[in-house]
Amino acid sequence: AQSVAQPEDQVNVAEGNPLTVKCTYSVSGNPYLFWYVQYPNRGLQFLLKYITGDNLVKGSYGFEAEFNKSQTSFHLKKPSALVSDSALYFCAVRPRLLGSSNTGKLIFGQGTTLQVKP
Amino acid sequence: GAGVSQTPSNKVTEKGKYVELRCDPISGHTALYWYRQSLGQGPEFLIYFQGTGAADDSGLPNDRFFAVRPEGSVSTLKIQRTERGDSAVYLCASRWGTNRIQETQYFGPGTRLLVL
Repeated sequence: AQSVAQPEDQVNVAEGNPLTVKCTYSVSGNPYLFWYVQYPNRGLQFLLKYITGDNLVKGSYGFEAEFNKSQTSFHLKKPSALVSDSALYFCAVRPRLLGSSNTGKLIFGQGTTLQVKP
Repeated sequence: GAGVSQTPSNKVTEKGKYVELRCDPISGHTALYWYRQSLGQGPEFLIYFQGTGAADDSGLPNDRFFAVRPEGSVSTLKIQRTERGDSAVYLCASRWGTNRIQETQYFGPGTRLLVL
């Protein structure tokens, strides 16, 4: 079965320190990879995606993510965390399928709460 | 420009009632998705529309759930004989919808459904 794992329910960092939110996936082929952020009572907001090319992807608000094919991981990173980064983060994959199965639906992890303390 | 909008933002209903949830995608987006997010979980796929047709409804949990998109823009998710287990946030997303499935899906704010 295809799945996405975010092994940490919560990540706590101090403001100004680097942060990492982990994501691994079990999807056949070479899927597209995404990170979304969710603030309380808000919808999902797109952060960044990996399609092809450079393994380090840069996105919104200073976030970046590193794709590692051998480890099937796509960890989200930021060099210096802000208190305003505190939110719920979701990793998602979009399998590359053939024909009518190629619908573009996303498979999400269960989410990681990031808490940045002043 | 306007993003994906969803109405109502909150819906409280009683067990056994019928509900309709509306999604208005970004103008020009032909691909539309519905997801369901239960408390403490990531969103789960329900149904995908390309234009007016449901191209993939494999995520609908049972035949109480149905969705339409008659003119290829606004979509309505319909739930019959609601059960307490249907309580969740229902999210809608859209993208341009060419064959380039690497395109980003943009999400609406969701409808929070509570079945009493």
